[in-house]
Amino acid sequence: DIQMTQSPSSLSASVGDRVTITCRASQSIISYLNWYQQKPGKAPNLLICAASTLQSGVPSRFSGSGSGTDFTLTINNLQPEDFATYYCQQNFHIPWMFGQGTKVEIK
Amino acid sequence: QVQLQESGPGLVKPSETLSLTCSVSGDSVNGYYWSWIRQPPGKGLEWIGYIYYTGSTKYNPSLNSRLTISVDTSKNQLSLRLSSVTAADTAVYYCARVSILTGTYYYNMDVWGKGTTVTVSS
Repeated sequence: DIQMTQSPSSLSASVGDRVTITCRASQSIISYLNWYQQKPGKAPNLLICAASTLQSGVPSRFSGSGSGTDFTLTINNLQPEDFATYYCQQNFHIPWMFGQGTKVEIK
Repeated sequence: QVQLQESGPGLVKPSETLSLTCSVSGDSVNGYYWSWIRQPPGKGLEWIGYIYYTGSTKYNPSLNSRLTISVDTSKNQLSLRLSSVTAADTAVYYCARVSILTGTYYYNMDVWGKGTTVTVSS
């Protein structure tokens, strides 16, 4: 299995901050990497696919980058509705695997 | 727009079989892959498997021996059966539509149901 490791596991930030979350794969997954946002009690919501393609309707303050084994989700100008848990997920190899999640909390 | 709704028993006894249905509305199951994902209480997401509308499947090897995912195109539904359940199978179970970025092989899960909670307990 391809293991996905996110860092940090949690972070505290203020409205207006820039936040960066890292996801590392245990082997190259080229660009087969998605990012999801999950709010408490809700289903995950797709933000970015193929490492850097913003899903329709997702605000442009979200961006993704990376390839191979190292990927980044960046949130510019953090908004109150962005406080949530974020997951990366690889779809290069079966079984699809998620990172353990990064919880973004209000400072 | 397409909507997914999971349904099934909220409580299953250990060693029994968990059976869930995902009803799709607003679009046809035809032409798509469909996936199941679960989330134990307070934990992260685990991919269970997916099925193409033709019936071909890919499963998580960790569940492969206990798992069956099927699709009924006439009812516009997909189903999950997980046998010999234990407390470790207690989770919120989600179904999701799998889309493929145009011109690529990049899969993503772009539409999710709200999830259904399943507790395994005697």
